[in-house]
Amino acid sequence: KAGVTQTPRYLIKTRGQQVTLSCSPISGHRSVSWYQQTPGQGLQFLFEYFSETQRNKGNFPGRFSGRQFSNSRSEMNVSTLELGDSALYLCASSLESVLSYTEAFFGQGTRLTVV
Amino acid sequence: KNEVEQSPQNLTAQEGEFITINCSYSVGISALHWLQQHPGGGIVSLFMLSSGKKKHGRLIATINIQEKHSSLHITASHPRDSAVYICAVSRGAQKLVFGQGTRLTINP
Repeated sequence: KAGVTQTPRYLIKTRGQQVTLSCSPISGHRSVSWYQQTPGQGLQFLFEYFSETQRNKGNFPGRFSGRQFSNSRSEMNVSTLELGDSALYLCASSLESVLSYTEAFFGQGTRLTVV
Repeated sequence: KNEVEQSPQNLTAQEGEFITINCSYSVGISALHWLQQHPGGGIVSLFMLSSGKKKHGRLIATINIQEKHSSLHITASHPRDSAVYICAVSRGAQKLVFGQGTRLTINP
């Protein structure tokens, strides 16, 4: 059974640009959640999508958005990139909502560097 | 004060030692997760528990709901256990909240 796949693994962007990250969940999983990890703030929850609907959102500005397709694949978009957006972005998939009693399976992450 | 506090932040031990990492949280939760992150970034979910105790090989996780405290134990530690261990809690339909992580180094 294939795991959670995130693409690309590494990305370098310039301030002001926008970026789209992709996450393919484990087959059959309907929930995809996104996280930002930085040395200063640690791991922080961005948002969760379940059956194409955003179910929960963390405390991030509107520049961070996402969507989920009918095949459960999810994309995360960050517009008007800032230096502080440099981070490891992780996604996780689970059968049901990651916020309930269900195990989450993480991808390897996308390391975004904003210069 | 963070909602989820882990201790210690860093832990260095010799191969074979018994390891304990602690996690305390300040609000009621529906589930607590223990995660392992190796250099390079990939995260593996070790345990998810809402009561009692779970065991997976050399790893044991316990939770005390009344005291709002969980522990992760590693028996017969090995250098390959070196990683960052992260505790996270979920509260019903609310967001996951993470501890700051415990960096574990096991020396041969």
